[in-house]
Amino acid sequence: KNEVEQSPQNLTAQEGEFITINCSYSVGISALHWLQQHPGGGIVSLFMLSSGKKKHGRLIATINIQEKHSSLHITASHPRDSVVYICAVQKTSYDKVIFGPGTSLSVIP
Amino acid sequence: EPEVTQTPSHQVTQMGQEVILRCVPISNHLYFYWYRQILGQKVEFLVSFYNNEISEKSEIFDDQFSVERPDGSNFTLKIRSTKLEDSAMYFCASGGGELFFGEGSRLTVL
Repeated sequence: KNEVEQSPQNLTAQEGEFITINCSYSVGISALHWLQQHPGGGIVSLFMLSSGKKKHGRLIATINIQEKHSSLHITASHPRDSVVYICAVQKTSYDKVIFGPGTSLSVIP
Repeated sequence: EPEVTQTPSHQVTQMGQEVILRCVPISNHLYFYWYRQILGQKVEFLVSFYNNEISEKSEIFDDQFSVERPDGSNFTLKIRSTKLEDSAMYFCASGGGELFFGEGSRLTVL
């Protein structure tokens, strides 16, 4: 069984829609990361969470440690948000990152 | 903004050849990692490196792989005798809390 699962695998939305990507994990963690992977392959860190909620611009990430679940929300989605979003976890600080399979988002004008 | 840099961005090699992928981590970071992503698959952990030695390695990281930090700034991944299945994007990362990833090195083995 994969330690990190994401849903949906693929998501198509109309510009302006509110988007939610879900992540569930099966191990104890010290941190959860949300990452973007761009078409050329480069990976950019969006958030690192250990509890609660973080917001950056139109992106909001939440985590529920008890339920082993996190969500990434995008408000007022835009075509430039069309990349792959990856959830990843660390069991302890400085441990390797365990990656989820990614969610491919396409926002249509 | 600090960044991790990787070279080359793309390398094409013949099966059986040795390949060295290079990474310059962020200067004050102490933990370094190599990951790989085969086309269409998720990113997989290869190896972590701390205090000039390997701290953890995955099953993928067999005897054909090695890592070193030859000069205190570069962090290299060597694949001794490449196989077709080594074709992938290889990512270097440094940090520990917040992670910083390089842009990746795409390796194509023919």
